[in-house]
Amino acid sequence: GQNIDQPTEMTATEGAIVQINCTYQTSGFNGLFWYQQHAGEAPTFLSYNVLDGLEEKGRFSSFLSRSKGYSYLLLKELQMKDSASYLCAVRDQKGYQKVTFGIGTKLQVIP
Amino acid sequence: GAVVSQHPSWVICKSGTSVKIECRSLDFQATTMFWYRQFPKQSLMLMATSNEGSKATYEQGVEKDKFLINHASLTLSTLTVTSAHPEDSSFYICSAIGTSGKTDTQYFGPGTRLTVL
Repeated sequence: GQNIDQPTEMTATEGAIVQINCTYQTSGFNGLFWYQQHAGEAPTFLSYNVLDGLEEKGRFSSFLSRSKGYSYLLLKELQMKDSASYLCAVRDQKGYQKVTFGIGTKLQVIP
Repeated sequence: GAVVSQHPSWVICKSGTSVKIECRSLDFQATTMFWYRQFPKQSLMLMATSNEGSKATYEQGVEKDKFLINHASLTLSTLTVTSAHPEDSSFYICSAIGTSGKTDTQYFGPGTRLTVL
């Protein structure tokens, strides 16, 4: 089976940096995704990692360690609009598109 | 690119009626689409995988006769909730596979909020 863990809630200050962790236990591994979801809206794609290391994309970076079953999403220079849920999702089979989503981390950015 | 639309964005219906939700990939062809359901403060739960020209693959616990999926073309999949009941009230989201640089990834429609009275 699949097991994906994330903190349920986090609070951070505008302008600061926040790290959202995700650990996973899956029968296989073929990539990890991060999505952002604002309340009442559909998720939007943020990042993808399949090899170990850090992927940087503007204010957002995502890190993966396959041996540890661990990933984090790093948000820099936080803005109020970054208040949202951040979903970690794992694809466990090569050549198969289905992913399993974590419950999501609700981030609140405060002034 | 990789825009997915859903219609309607919200619907209210009486118990016992059927509701059809459309999911379209607007600027790309999608051989595979997914249907999810999300209850408040919960994560996305995959209901079924929709494959163009073939039968959908349903997840365990999802009634295929209640949630009818048709993927008639490379840009359109429909989900019909038959004989809807209040417990079917939820946020239904579709996604379609598109390419984002290194890999295929899921791009989501805006979701349909279903309320069954």
